[in-house]
Amino acid sequence: LAKTTQPISMDSYEGQEVNITCSHNNIATNDYITWYQQFPSQGPRFIIQGYKTKVTNEVASLFIPADRKSSTLSLPRVSLSDTAVYYCLVGEFTGGFKTIFGAGTRLFVKA
Amino acid sequence: DTEVTQTPKHLVMGMTNKKSLKCEQHMGHRAMYWYKQKAKKPPELMFVYSYEKLSINESVPSRFSPECPNSSLLNLHLHALQPEDSALYLCASSQADLSGTGELFFGEGSRLTVL
Repeated sequence: LAKTTQPISMDSYEGQEVNITCSHNNIATNDYITWYQQFPSQGPRFIIQGYKTKVTNEVASLFIPADRKSSTLSLPRVSLSDTAVYYCLVGEFTGGFKTIFGAGTRLFVKA
Repeated sequence: DTEVTQTPKHLVMGMTNKKSLKCEQHMGHRAMYWYKQKAKKPPELMFVYSYEKLSINESVPSRFSPECPNSSLLNLHLHALQPEDSALYLCASSQADLSGTGELFFGEGSRLTVL
């Protein structure tokens, strides 16, 4: 399984755009890249998933370069409620999605 | 219904006890997962069931015994646990193939304390 590397923590202010980059140098051809958000004492919540290029949904964008060795989660105009841990996962579907959570990035949004 | 329901929310057990954690979903997902999460650490994958069959076992000690009695239910049977097994146990479900988004839906977890 591809190992992922993310910054341990990031600070931001309300209203700013936040970009969190994840490195996954050993990503395999069949691997997808997924990002989750987790608040304390809650289960992780899916944010976005992609395979290549750019994916956008109502809450975030995911940028994946052609070599797929990294990816960047972009959160537009963060608010205090976006303070959480963000995990980058890389994995494939083999009768279920076998993924390993990386260490995660603790985002702290300040007023 | 996009919920994964886990019971109990909290469990305290001794090292000689036998207990079970339960997980239920009604989204028609055919893949279900158990993760273990220690404080300030990422979730660690334990087991994956696909179409009610165990497809992935991440070398978990035998004192943890998973069971998938039907497509909506997932159990984790606990026996002779150690204090270091105290953690938040998370259940998740997803579609078992790439016809969907690959999103894992997580429950709120069962917080286990082993005395």
